[in-house]
Amino acid sequence: DAKTTQPTSMDCAEGRAANLPCNHSTISGNEYVYWYRQIHSQGPQYIIHGLKNNETNEMASLIITEDRKSSTLILPHATLRDTAVYYCIVRVASPSNFGNEKLTFGTGTRLTIIP
Amino acid sequence: SAVISQKPSRDICQRGTSLTIQCQVDSQVTMMFWYRQQPGQSLTLIATANQGSEATYESGFVIDKFPISRPNLTFSTLTVSNMSPEDSSIYLCSVEERPAATYTGELFFGEGSRLTVL
Repeated sequence: DAKTTQPTSMDCAEGRAANLPCNHSTISGNEYVYWYRQIHSQGPQYIIHGLKNNETNEMASLIITEDRKSSTLILPHATLRDTAVYYCIVRVASPSNFGNEKLTFGTGTRLTIIP
Repeated sequence: SAVISQKPSRDICQRGTSLTIQCQVDSQVTMMFWYRQQPGQSLTLIATANQGSEATYESGFVIDKFPISRPNLTFSTLTVSNMSPEDSSIYLCSVEERPAATYTGELFFGEGSRLTVL
């Protein structure tokens, strides 16, 4: 899997949009960008993923640059419960693919929401 | 979405002993993985648990230290053998479903088993 680079930590005011950047300059054409978060003392939780188009779900939006070398996770209205470590991961994802399916975690970004 | 139960949720163990962690899933899943998270660190993949065959271990992890079983598509165990204080970590089970029509590549994680070795 390609490696990713994320800032170590970020702060965001409660109610504001939290924008978490991720660089993945060596991403391959068949690799997706996945975002997970880990709230203290819990297992990681899937947030969103995308290939090259921007994606939005009930939790967040994912903006992927046209060259796919970087992306931004956006939490539109951050709450205190969004305080967590956020992981950006690139991964081949196909139901028939075996051998490249493992999820490799980097160090992530520790996001702190400030009241 | 798959629901994962891990047992024990936490344990305190003596040096030199072994502990087996169980991972039970509420549905049949294609892929099962075991991760370790040392204090203050990110997650590190230990191995892929293969149903009916030997697990596939990542670099730095060996079967003698971390034997894994996966007798069916809903259950797996990880044993931490001959424990030392350096094995104090959270051990997490993760699964991936692969429905062809609705596949997302999402992995589900258990809440983890927190081991403290004295």
